Amino acid sequence: DAGITQSPRHKVTETGTPVTLRCHQTENHRYMYWYRQDPGHGLRLIHYSYGVKDTDKGEVSDGYSVSRSKTEDFLLTLESATSSQTSVYFCAISDPTKQGAGQPQHFGDGTRLSIL
Amino acid sequence: GDSVTQMEGPVTLSEEAFLTINCTYTATGYPSLFWYVQYPGEGLQLLLKATKADDKGSNKGFEATYRKETTSFHLEKGSVQVSDSAVYFCALSHFGNEKLTFGTGTRLTIIP
Repeated sequence: DAGITQSPRHKVTETGTPVTLRCHQTENHRYMYWYRQDPGHGLRLIHYSYGVKDTDKGEVSDGYSVSRSKTEDFLLTLESATSSQTSVYFCAISDPTKQGAGQPQHFGDGTRLSIL
Repeated sequence: GDSVTQMEGPVTLSEEAFLTINCTYTATGYPSLFWYVQYPGEGLQLLLKATKADDKGSNKGFEATYRKETTSFHLEKGSVQVSDSAVYFCALSHFGNEKLTFGTGTRLTIIP
């Protein structure tokens, strides 16, 4: 299994508070991603990173920011959490430097975030 | 933009039944196609993939064939087991653009 650790695994917090989720990898993969999973929507990309300090927005980036100060860590921050951000958040990594199309993404076990 | 449409669930089958989960896609060019599986309380795992037309991906008894003419990548298994109960996601990506586009997922339950 790919070495991906998400923390915390569960969190309950209140509306308006800041929340930071961490993704740590031991695979030295260049690309890292944050997704949210909601019923009826599958997984939707929030932000991704293609290198240290290189990040870009996904399809549902509003209300979220990210940072990547070193290869192994990718942080997702909700500056002021809202109830609509209650979801399960997944981190993923990939290594597109490998040759050929179809390089898969490898996923962490997720963080269940509840905002009351 | 790209999109993936997969069979609405939930799907409930008896053990040893034949499984088909439909997946169709809309995309320009020649995307790579994937099936991921999610077991309860876990993240997604790659089940199989195909990178060009007429390729067949296979793993753990599951198969899917990349059909360019029908823009489809249907998942099949000849004889399902209780341990196959999970949520299955169809997805695509383009070479050089590493973002995955997912379908909404299909929950599969196998009854003994």
